[in-house]
Amino acid sequence: AAGVIQSPRHLIKEKRETATLKCYPIPRHDTVYWYQQGPGQDPQFLISFYEKMQSDKGSIPDRFSAQQFSDYHSELNMSSLELGDSALYFCASSWLDRGQITDTQYFGPGTRLTVL
Amino acid sequence: AQKVTQAQTEISVVEKEDVTLDCVYETRDTTYYLFWYKQPPSGELVFLIRRNSFDEQNEISGRYSWNFQKSTSSFNFTITASQVVDSAVYFCALTHQAGTALIFGKGTTLSVSS
Repeated sequence: AAGVIQSPRHLIKEKRETATLKCYPIPRHDTVYWYQQGPGQDPQFLISFYEKMQSDKGSIPDRFSAQQFSDYHSELNMSSLELGDSALYFCASSWLDRGQITDTQYFGPGTRLTVL
Repeated sequence: AQKVTQAQTEISVVEKEDVTLDCVYETRDTTYYLFWYKQPPSGELVFLIRRNSFDEQNEISGRYSWNFQKSTSSFNFTITASQVVDSAVYFCALTHQAGTALIFGKGTTLSVSS
């Protein structure tokens, strides 16, 4: 079965540089989520989109922005990178069944960002 | 506010032992959803199970079983006859609505030795 695709899988940047992470959801999924996981920590929710509209917002820094495109893929843009941004960034996607209130989030393999 | 507590930080067992991972949650929502995810050393997050707040039926899937008790706000996960491949970090998570954040516990690191 097709899974969530994230690119790149690894990224090394210098402080103050910018980075763009991409996420391609499972086919037919209409909602994407972004999470940040620091070393030894649990994933922290950043932001989510449903049908190209922001659905929920978490602890996403102002230096970060994200959007979902018409083909449902999403991009997370990160500017003025700091050492503390080094983490594993997960994208998840979901599809809401008719009659259900919630959905199951399926995660991609993650992008490991290292800021030097 | 929603909160998930996994009090066990690390558990070490020997192969074939049974092990239970505890999860306690807090929420003011009357409808909510609980999840378990597995994160093996390779780093991906693998979905294991979803349980709705209005369905307290326990579930068994092979060597895995889940015990949901609303009275104690717990959603515990038991692995029977553990195997080395079960070594991973296991996260319990909570949400109340589609499109919104999953609130994760801190995770329990399970190490299974041969």
